[in-house]
Parts: sequence; C-alpha cells; structure tokens
Amino acid sequence: GENVEQHPSTLSVQEGDSAVIKCTYSDSASNYFPWYKQELGKRPQLIIDIRSNVGEKKDQRIAVTLNKTAKHFSLHITETQPEDSAVYFCAASPLTGNQFYFGTGTSLTVIP
Amino acid sequence: NAGVTQTPKFQVLKTGQSMTLQCAQDMNHEYMSWYRQDPGMGLRLIHYSVGAGITDQGEVPNGYNVSRSTTEDFPLRLLSAAPSQTSVYFCASSYSRPQTNTGELFFGEGSRLTVL
Repeated sequence: GENVEQHPSTLSVQEGDSAVIKCTYSDSASNYFPWYKQELGKRPQLIIDIRSNVGEKKDQRIAVTLNKTAKHFSLHITETQPEDSAVYFCAASPLTGNQFYFGTGTSLTVIP
Repeated sequence: NAGVTQTPKFQVLKTGQSMTLQCAQDMNHEYMSWYRQDPGMGLRLIHYSVGAGITDQGEVPNGYNVSRSTTEDFPLRLLSAAPSQTSVYFCASSYSRPQTNTGELFFGEGSRLTVL
C-alpha cells in the first residue's frame, strides 16, 4: 500500500517568514495530492490540492509543488500570519480509488 | 446543509465494552471512510466504502466493523473495546473519483473515545 512520509513534524517561524513542509510517497499509482489544515480541536479541512499532470499550483499565499519523478510534493506558505498556526497534513490518493493516505502531520507555529 | 455528522462527540468505555460511532452525510457522497487520529501518527484509514453495500479495509481495520446499508450512513462498531483504541475518530466522505474532478474529503467534527 501507499506510504506517505512528512517532514518536519514541528515548525516554528516568525510572522511574515515563509514555511515549507515536505512529503514523499511510495506508490507510483498515486496521482492526487491534497493538503489539509487542522486547527486545534477542529476537523481537518482542505486548503489546496494538486494532480499529477500539474507541477505547481498557487492560491494566494499558499502553493504546492509536485515532482512525480522523485515522488515528493511540498507545501509553501508565504508571508505567514498567526492564523496559519495549525497542524498540516499531506495526503496521497490513486486516481481509480478514493482511499487517502495521510502523512503524520506538521505542527506549524507562527510567532507574532 | 449539515455536511458530515458524527455522534457521540465524547465517549468513555471500559475494556471489553462495545459501542457504535454513528456517521451520516447529506451530500449524496458515494465514498465514506473512518480515520483514527493519534499523536504523531497522523490520520490512519480504518475502513472505507465506495457505495451502499460495499465496504473494505484500510490500514488499521483490526477491532473495528463497518456496514453501509444506505448512501447516507456509515457506522463504525467496536465489538470489544481495548485501551489501544483510545483515539479521536473522524468520519469523512467525498464524491467518487475519477467521476468527479474534486477529491475533497469532508470530515465530521470527530469523536473522542477513551477506553479504560
């Protein structure tokens, strides 16, 4: 089955700096890679996703990049704000299935 | 539109007791799933279903049963609870892929289960 690894497990940045979270996956059949944000005590919510036919996708201060050859994808948050503080999860999913395999999460703290 | 509704939000069980976590969605999603979330372990898939009458095992299915008699409901049963099943459980649903371009998983609010 799919194995998704995520690094780092914790990340602290100063407000206004950038944050980068990296994930690798093992199954070459995976072709959909979403990122979820989970605030303390809340449910995970989708913030951005990318499909394997795209190398990069941006949405305001958030971007995701994908390298299918190396089987890794990354989340980039620019101009971080205190409200970005949360746990972020990457996930991988094959096209023909709906199973999502999640990384172990990154706890991001943005220091004002 | 309620989305994904889970009950109960909190539950304390003794070892060996049984219980059912309820999950219902009103978005007509074909796909439903259960995850458990443990510190440092991320979200691990327990069981999933791609439609009524169809279920399959995920990464950590032992100790859990599921059924899918309707499109809307996907209960998770613990037949004989163990302390190792202390966790936060999330139900999640989505439209089936690749029939739709969006693969967004919609999560319930979570159920915190403690087994003593």
